[in-house]
Amino acid sequence: DQQVKQNSPSLSVQEGRISILNCDYTNSMFDYFLWYKKYPAEGPTFLISISSIKDKNEDGRFTVFLNKSAKHLSLHIVPSQPGDSAVYFCAASAWGSNYKLTFGKGTLLTVNP
Amino acid sequence: EAQVTQNPRYLITVTGKKLTVTCSQNMNHEYMSWYRQDPGLGLRQIYYSMNVEVTDKGDVPEGYKVSRKEKRNFPLILESPSPNQTSLYFCASSYSGTGFTETQYFGPGTRLLVL
Repeated sequence: DQQVKQNSPSLSVQEGRISILNCDYTNSMFDYFLWYKKYPAEGPTFLISISSIKDKNEDGRFTVFLNKSAKHLSLHIVPSQPGDSAVYFCAASAWGSNYKLTFGKGTLLTVNP
Repeated sequence: EAQVTQNPRYLITVTGKKLTVTCSQNMNHEYMSWYRQDPGLGLRQIYYSMNVEVTDKGDVPEGYKVSRKEKRNFPLILESPSPNQTSLYFCASSYSGTGFTETQYFGPGTRLLVL
């Protein structure tokens, strides 16, 4: 049972445009959500997170939106840059879960110059 | 430099030959974890440790062992590796001081091939 779903394996956008990566979850106990970025031959690096008490969190070009009723979150990157090309993982955790992160399968973002 | 290190980075072995992948962090983090990444499956947690001498199973613990004798080290042990353990392995750590999910810092990965 996949509790965190990233239904788009890949996404291609033009430099300067907006990239929108989507993530759905099924476990209503999840209350904290994170996005990680991964380049080839490197470990995932933390990008941005959001608590369930918020519906939006911004950090520079990156914004995460959370829709709890729909159990959906999205990552917006504006403007997209070629250096943003990477695999993006959505992850979630539940309070009291001993910090266990449940990851989605990832979305490969390609930003074309 | 704050980091999580893993060794070796690449390993080819044969079925049944015991191996250990080391993980070390220099951030004084209490929480450490092992994941494996497989095509189409994302990252799945193998084992985690809340502190020294405290370990617990993740989602896919079968065929693996861990130990946490020191705060900075969290080795992953494959007593009798099998081909289905061919994967990319990541170690991660976080402070876990506040009770909320902390940002986990990942090592560079160990690519394992079991023949």
